[in-house]
Amino acid sequence: GAVVSQHPSWVICKSGTSVKIECRSLDFQATTMFWYRQFPKQSLMLMATSNEGSKATYEQGVEKDKFLINHASLTLSTLTVTSAHPEDSSFYICSARDGGRDTEAFFGQGTRLTVV
Amino acid sequence: GQNIDQPTEMTATEGAIVQINCTYQTSGFNGLFWYQQHAGEAPTFLSYNVLDGLEEKGRFSSFLSRSKGYSYLLLKELQMKDSASYLCAVMDSNYQLIWGAGTKLIIKP
Repeated sequence: GAVVSQHPSWVICKSGTSVKIECRSLDFQATTMFWYRQFPKQSLMLMATSNEGSKATYEQGVEKDKFLINHASLTLSTLTVTSAHPEDSSFYICSARDGGRDTEAFFGQGTRLTVV
Repeated sequence: GQNIDQPTEMTATEGAIVQINCTYQTSGFNGLFWYQQHAGEAPTFLSYNVLDGLEEKGRFSSFLSRSKGYSYLLLKELQMKDSASYLCAVMDSNYQLIWGAGTKLIIKP
């Protein structure tokens, strides 16, 4: 299957700083990428959907100025958590689709963010 | 609203069979996915059903009834490594995935 690489796997940062998470599709062109957040023992929560070359579509309740998403190429999307706070500590996961809207979404490995 | 229901937790014995049910109410339907997620890891794809019936893939099978808004994931010959959360997700009319909360499966020796 297709491979989606997410980096870093885990990060610890100080409150008030910014953290960038990268999501790369290694062997296919990801026209659409999704960013999820998952708190312990809870379901995946979609944060935003990004299409290459256009602005991301954010889900209700997700601050677009705090969670900056860039999808500048067909193989790379980034999520930047700005001015991170301890409540932003969570597991962030990206997934990518290669174009067909009914195709499987491939997931990155996830990033465990801890804000201290 | 859109809703995916699945049991929170199930326990089964190594070598046995377990069935994890999922019921859904969504705006439109473009397929149902089952994913496996081990603690601290991202989900991995197990199956995709878009037509009614049973899809078999090794020890895992997935069933769909669109008229009933119902699916199940059947795991046979359970192994300890099958201990994980199993996520049911439905793709709605906008091709967005709607996720269930997941079923934590505990396998006992």
